[in-house]
Amino acid sequence: SQQGEEDPQALSIQEGENATMNCSYKTSINNLQWYRQNSGRGLVHLILIRSNEREKHSGRLRVTLDTSKKSSSLLITASRAADTASYFCATDAYGNQFYFGTGTSLTVIP
Amino acid sequence: EAGVAQSPRYKIIEKRQSVAFWCNPISGHATLYWYQQILGQGPKLLIQFQNNGVVDDSQLPKDRFSAERLKGVDSTLKIQPAKLEDSAVYLCASSLGVLGEGIQYFGAGTRLSVL
Repeated sequence: SQQGEEDPQALSIQEGENATMNCSYKTSINNLQWYRQNSGRGLVHLILIRSNEREKHSGRLRVTLDTSKKSSSLLITASRAADTASYFCATDAYGNQFYFGTGTSLTVIP
Repeated sequence: EAGVAQSPRYKIIEKRQSVAFWCNPISGHATLYWYQQILGQGPKLLIQFQNNGVVDDSQLPKDRFSAERLKGVDSTLKIQPAKLEDSAVYLCASSLGVLGEGIQYFGAGTRLSVL
């Protein structure tokens, strides 16, 4: 089974609002990454957080990691219509095993 | 810098036929991945190469799927014979490996429809 599970499965918000999506995973990890996938396209790397980090920022993105709860969250602030996409967390477990979650489908309404 | 190239973009075949996908990773990337993404799901890792050696193929259905990476650069993924449940997008990704902390760069994928 896949390592990561995103929540919610789908999210619809108005432009300018913030979007938060969560990821839970099962085993110890080396790092956790978030990727975006636009419809019919390949995945694009957004941000990486290491297992010894708790929070990381990149532009309008904020990622948190709680290794005790085996969970992470991605916050997109001031969302734009162009942020409409599916978002996946991916865990890099020790032993070079790489797992993607099930994804959150985000729709930003102009 | 050129991205990960995949071909073909689309492929339609009948069940029990064979199909092959090709991937050219970013120059200098030692690690290459093949993923299967079924509609509505996250990508599932099929096989991971480090240079031309296999690191992980635990989720590759070896009775019908095969992959190779000649000379540690290009890679091909083959399905023989295809089943209806193989309909999916096949994604290739590459990374610098340990030095790049596993950050992967994806191609646009090949959408396979098995009829």
